[in-house]
Amino acid sequence: DSGVTQTPKHLITATGQRVTLRCSPRSGDLSVYWYQQSLDQGLQFLIQYYNGEERAKGNILERFSAQQFPDLHSELNLSSLELGDSALYFCASSDGDRDNEKLFFGSGTQLSVL
Amino acid sequence: TQLLEQSPQFLSIQEGENLTVYCNSSSVFSSLQWYRQEPGEGPVLLVTVVTGGEVKKLKRLTFQFGDARKDSSLHITAAQPGDTGLYLCAGEGTGGGADGLTFGKGTHLIIQP
Repeated sequence: DSGVTQTPKHLITATGQRVTLRCSPRSGDLSVYWYQQSLDQGLQFLIQYYNGEERAKGNILERFSAQQFPDLHSELNLSSLELGDSALYFCASSDGDRDNEKLFFGSGTQLSVL
Repeated sequence: TQLLEQSPQFLSIQEGENLTVYCNSSSVFSSLQWYRQEPGEGPVLLVTVVTGGEVKKLKRLTFQFGDARKDSSLHITAAQPGDTGLYLCAGEGTGGGADGLTFGKGTHLIIQP
């Protein structure tokens, strides 16, 4: 158990819909990262928050947004969903904000867009 | 854009055999991490290598960072079924900022009893 909690574990929805994925980092970790994993693209970095502030941005679509709340949990919002958004979405946390920090990954949310 | 190419993509061998998987790039990385991911779970960090030429050992796993910090290898001695999983390498860019790790697509390793 990494200590990172992601909910829901599975999500099935239709094209055009909007969903919210939730992540609770390990106790004491200030950074939260969101990654998307698909068979063809592998693990793609989406966005990082550190202590409530956006810290780094990767290949995140404009239809996607995220935030980190004062209690350090984070939400990833995906809107106007397309079939191609079907993937595993991982949240990871670390105690610092550097790229070489040890990341602890949650078990992921499997999103299926039908 | 920094890319990490991992090879082979798939590898299936018998228990007790040795194997090496590779992680290559044309870009220089400040550091490189190796993760193992099992089905239904997130990746778990195995090791971080920072210095060019660095070698780190974790029981039967040996990790090496290339001298030029552009490539890395993972060697497993006497593979066990418990080594089965997706092995991912991830590189930290040299830009100095927090740009997120760049992950390779991974090597799917199956160790057959």
